[in-house]
Amino acid sequence: AQSVTQPDIHITVSEGASLELRCNYSYGATPYLFWYVQSPGQGLQLLLKYFSGDTLVQGIKGFEAEFKRSQSSFNLRKPSVHWSDAAEYFCALEGDTGRRALTFGSGTRLQVQP
Amino acid sequence: NAGVTQTPKFQVLKTGQSMTLQCAQDMNHEYMSWYRQDPGMGLRLIHYSVGAGITDQGEVPNGYNVSRSTTEDFPLRLLSAAPSQTSVYFCASSGSQSPLHFGNGTRLTVT
Repeated sequence: AQSVTQPDIHITVSEGASLELRCNYSYGATPYLFWYVQSPGQGLQLLLKYFSGDTLVQGIKGFEAEFKRSQSSFNLRKPSVHWSDAAEYFCALEGDTGRRALTFGSGTRLQVQP
Repeated sequence: NAGVTQTPKFQVLKTGQSMTLQCAQDMNHEYMSWYRQDPGMGLRLIHYSVGAGITDQGEVPNGYNVSRSTTEDFPLRLLSAAPSQTSVYFCASSGSQSPLHFGNGTRLTVT
């Protein structure tokens, strides 16, 4: 069975501060990994993805994530948070590539203080 | 290019009623899937399809039916709605090498 754990339900950071959102996965091999962002009442927007190769991946809006096989982690980072980054963030895994469907974590809600 | 289009955006049903949530994509994607989103639980896979005429169950299929008669459309049917099906539903599509594209969701309330 495959699973994704996002240990932090809710995080608050000050604008301009750095951010790290945690994601751990369980899967028997190397999965495809994704981070999505969802603003209130909206759909999901892909921030970045890891398929293979370089373990540090760059995404949109200044986000990056690092795949660490030894820790089964794929943490999302941003050096300086903007107020517009306030949203819910989901980490997701694609293990069985035959079906092109995702297993999601439960999400982390980010609040940004002025 | 509209991408993935879901209709309706909002729906209120009474317990026992049936309805179909529509999903259409114009990207000629082979793969389509349905998810439900509930607070604190992320998105969970209901059903998926790997091509026209081929569907299969995901994690939470009970109470839902799907069919895929064309590449473009992947409707989700609730045969007899229950309050436990109150949720936000997302449809997604992808090609064999592309990440998933999501629709904007349908918010369903069952009273």
